[in-house]
Order: sequence, then structure tokens, then C-alpha cells
Amino acid sequence: GAVVSQHPSWVICKSGTSVKIECRSLDFQATTMFWYRQFPKQSLMLMATSNEGSKATYEQGVEKDKFLINHASLTLSTLTVTSAHPEDSSFYICSARDSRNTEAFFGQGTRLTVV
Amino acid sequence: DAKTTQPTSMDCAEGRAANLPCNHSTISGNEYVYWYRQIHSQGPQYIIHGLKNNETNEMASLIITEDRKSSTLILPHATLRDTAVYYCIVRVETGFQKLVFGTGTRLLVSP
Repeated sequence: GAVVSQHPSWVICKSGTSVKIECRSLDFQATTMFWYRQFPKQSLMLMATSNEGSKATYEQGVEKDKFLINHASLTLSTLTVTSAHPEDSSFYICSARDSRNTEAFFGQGTRLTVV
Repeated sequence: DAKTTQPTSMDCAEGRAANLPCNHSTISGNEYVYWYRQIHSQGPQYIIHGLKNNETNEMASLIITEDRKSSTLILPHATLRDTAVYYCIVRVETGFQKLVFGTGTRLLVSP
């Protein structure tokens, strides 16, 4: 299957700071990327969907000013958690799909801990 | 969005077939059934998907009932490395074609 890479795999940051997470499709062009959040022992929750060159579409209840998503190219999307707080600590996972609308492939996830 | 219902957990002996059921009684005619699995602290891994016909690949088989209201994922010879949470998802076929995850089935493969 296609490869989606996230960076960093884990990050610890201080409360009030911002953290950027990168998601790259390594061997295909991702026209659509998805960002999920997963709390311990829970399922994945879709946060937002982005198409290359367009503004992201956020799911209900997700603060777009807090979770900034940029899908600047067909191989890169970034999620920036602004003014992070301890309750933002979670496992963030991206997913990418190419223009053929086949299956979506997932990154390995980024564990964010806000202290 | 079509909702799926899966058992919370299942056990399987190593080497035996693991049959994971999924109910999706409100599925629409053009919606696909996707299966992913998530091993602890990793991103989900694609397994298989189908529309009407049964499907098979190197990882698993997918059996979809004729009325499409339920399906079964079959891992023919489960190994310890198949221990994971398995998600059955009906993909939204409009808009961005999102994958919305339910609670999944926690499969434990034991020696």
C-alpha cells in the first residue's frame, strides 16, 4: 500500500505554545487529507478534511482557530495546535487519499503531550 | 451516515480462522464497506473493502450478505500479530468520502 508519514511521532510541549504536525504522502499525490484525534481507549474522531489548495472543512465541534490545517501541496498537509492546553493531549493521526478515490492510507500518528 | 454495529471484543486461537461480524442495516446502494485495523499506538491499516461481491486479498476475505445489511471479515489463519482493534466502516460516498470510525472489535489472538 501507499505510504503516509507523520512527523514528529511524539512531542511534548508547554501549555500555551503551538505545535505543528506534518503529514506527507511519500509515493502518491494526496488530493484529500483527513485529520483525526484519538483519546486513550477511544475510537478515532474525525477533526477535519482538507483538499489541496482549499480551506479545510471542520467537523462540528472542532475549533478551526485552534486547529489550523494547511494543505499546501499534493504531498503535504500540516496541523497546528495553537495555544495548546493539557486537554489537547492526544494521539493525532492523518490520512491521505489519491485522486482515484481508492482506499485511504494512514500515518503512524503523533502523540502530543501538553504539560 | 450509515452506522455500523460490531461486537466489542472477540477471542481467537492462533492458527484458527477469525470471523469478525459487522451489521450495517442502513447502508445505501452505492456505499462501500471498508475494514481497517489498528494495532496499539499505531495508525489504522487498510485491510479490504467491497460493495456487493465477496472480496479476497492477501490479508483477508470479506463476505457481504446479499441484502448488504451485514458483512464478515475473515482472517483465515490468525496469528498473534493479528491482535488489534478492527473497524468496519461504511464510507460516505458524497462530498469528501470520509471514513467515520465506530467503536470497532477488539480481537485478541491467543497461543
